[in-house]
Amino acid sequence: EAQVTQNPRYLITVTGKKLTVTCSQNMNHEYMSWYRQDPGLGLRQIYYSMNVEVTDKGDVPEGYKVSRKEKRNFPLILESPSPNQTSLYFCASSSAGVGSYEQYFGPGTRLTVT
Amino acid sequence: QQPVQSPQAVILREGEDAVINCSSSKALYSVHWYRQKHGEAPVFLMILLKGGEQKGHDKISASFNEKKQQSSLYLTASQLSYSGTYFCGTGLTGNQFYFGTGTSLTVIP
Repeated sequence: EAQVTQNPRYLITVTGKKLTVTCSQNMNHEYMSWYRQDPGLGLRQIYYSMNVEVTDKGDVPEGYKVSRKEKRNFPLILESPSPNQTSLYFCASSSAGVGSYEQYFGPGTRLTVT
Repeated sequence: QQPVQSPQAVILREGEDAVINCSSSKALYSVHWYRQKHGEAPVFLMILLKGGEQKGHDKISASFNEKKQQSSLYLTASQLSYSGTYFCGTGLTGNQFYFGTGTSLTVIP
């Protein structure tokens, strides 16, 4: 089954404790992206990647890191989480350039930073 | 740079029609539409790639006016299953992607 998986689905952590949210897709997609969703602000792009070793900033990259060492995986790293990073996070992938192709979303990771 | 959607929220009775608008201050090269049910991931509805393009499936369709930098989503004879939040989206610069502000649609019996 074609899908995007994220882990963990729920995470409660404390300020400053490094964490990684994993994302994996099995569709051989070139493009992968991370979004955060907050009430009243909609979905905002954090980082995206056009291919292995090619990543770029989205609209709200501060406080996040990503890497793309393999085509299927695109982890999101919070080196020193803060309470303002409490949010619902979605990973997404598409076959090529995002303007012309639909995005497939993972189930989401709800992160709480206390 | 986030596209603006209107209305912010709408409540319909089953069988009624609705229109959701998406407007951008920057040129739109393509427009995506997604629907998100509460607590779930967004699900793709359709993409419009060219100005003047109209698409649809079932009773949901969309149009894209490139010159006006606008797109509209039309829901005809709404069903309970249409409830959710609708987002337009577009790639504005390179492969960065922007979702619209969202429209909450509730269909009641």
